[in-house]
Amino acid sequence: DGGITQSPKYLFRKEGQNVTLSCEQNLNHDAMYWYRQDPGQGLRLIYYSQIVNDFQKGDIAEGYSVSREKKESFPLTVTSAQKNPTAFYLCASTGTGLNTEAFFGQGTRLTVV
Amino acid sequence: ILNVEQSPQSLHVQEGDSTNFTCSFPSSNFYALHWYRWETAKSPEALFVMTLNGDEKKKGRISATLNTKEGYSYLYIKGSQPEDSATYLCAFHPYSGGYQKVTFGTGTKLQVIP
Repeated sequence: DGGITQSPKYLFRKEGQNVTLSCEQNLNHDAMYWYRQDPGQGLRLIYYSQIVNDFQKGDIAEGYSVSREKKESFPLTVTSAQKNPTAFYLCASTGTGLNTEAFFGQGTRLTVV
Repeated sequence: ILNVEQSPQSLHVQEGDSTNFTCSFPSSNFYALHWYRWETAKSPEALFVMTLNGDEKKKGRISATLNTKEGYSYLYIKGSQPEDSATYLCAFHPYSGGYQKVTFGTGTKLQVIP
């Protein structure tokens, strides 16, 4: 079955460390996205990529980095520069066309300890 | 930053009751309105993509309407069942740009009590 896989589901990080969240899709989608959710807020866009080897900052990109070396994979690194990294992170992908809905992973809950 | 609001934030209904909730969005520059259903410990799943003023879409006991002129969409659930318990997200897609321009609401968390 096609879908998006995020790992790990839960992640604990010490302050000052970088961590990388994995996102893999086998839907043959060109576009992939990373969102962050905080309590009481909607999903906010961190980074997106519309094609391999290209990505763009979203609304809250500071303290994050991404890469898109393969169509299937869009890992997100939460760097030590991100001041408040504890949050729930969702990865998504979309196909072509403007009306397409997104397919989401199950999310990664990151906690800084 | 676009203002997309959902109300109520949460609600509890008895099994068998019908319910509805609202998504409000900017009435200008409208392109599409997406509804997602998000069950605990699962991925959000698309319910509807709505594009035309006056659109009505239905999937089983769940239906949605769209008013782009006044900037709102209603989601209705008829005869709620415990398996309907989830958070329902709406997402506003403005005319300019691709999916990266979508703004999500904060969601309505529905709990159906058996």
